[in-house]
Amino acid sequence: DIQMTQSPSSLSASVGDRATITCRASQSISNYLNWYQQKPGKAPKLLIYAVSSLQSGVPSRFSGSGSGTHFTLTISSLQPEDFASYYCQQTYSSPYTFGQGTKLEYK
Amino acid sequence: EVQLLESGGGLVQPGGSLRLSCVVSGFTFSSYAMSWVRQAPGKGLEWVSGISYSGGSTYYADSVKGRLTISRDNSKNTLYLQMNSLRAEDTAVYYCAKDRGNSGSYGLDYWGQGTLVTVSS
Repeated sequence: DIQMTQSPSSLSASVGDRATITCRASQSISNYLNWYQQKPGKAPKLLIYAVSSLQSGVPSRFSGSGSGTHFTLTISSLQPEDFASYYCQQTYSSPYTFGQGTKLEYK
Repeated sequence: EVQLLESGGGLVQPGGSLRLSCVVSGFTFSSYAMSWVRQAPGKGLEWVSGISYSGGSTYYADSVKGRLTISRDNSKNTLYLQMNSLRAEDTAVYYCAKDRGNSGSYGLDYWGQGTLVTVSS
């Protein structure tokens, strides 16, 4: 199975800051990498698919990059509604594993 | 409007069985792959199982293989998860989710609200 490792596990930041979350795969997954946001008590929301494609309705301050085994999610200027948990997921091969998550908290 | 509504969760004893259902509306169900994803209390997301648009291909996490079975009835716009030989570690909120594509997975773009399964004596 492909293991997905996110870092950091938690991140403290302020409104207006730039935030970067990293996801590493245990083997190459081409561009089969997705990012989700989850707020407490709510279902996850797809932010980015295929490494860098923005899901419809997602603000342009969210962006994704990377290839092979190393990927990043960047939020260019944090807004109050962005403080949540974030997960990467590989869909290159089954089982379609998630990273362990990154909790973005107020500093 | 796309909607996914899970049901069937509840309290079950270890070794017991449960069947989850997910009724969908607002899109052509028979054209898209679907998945089940779970989240144990206070933990991260775990992909559990997926099924192609036709039901001809199914996929499972190692942790549930042989105990959980995914299926779909395209005539009823319904996704199922049959859960047998349940263990305490299966306790979680179970989400059904729609895939962007029709086979494999290309990202899960719509999710239900989740149904809680608790395995305990």
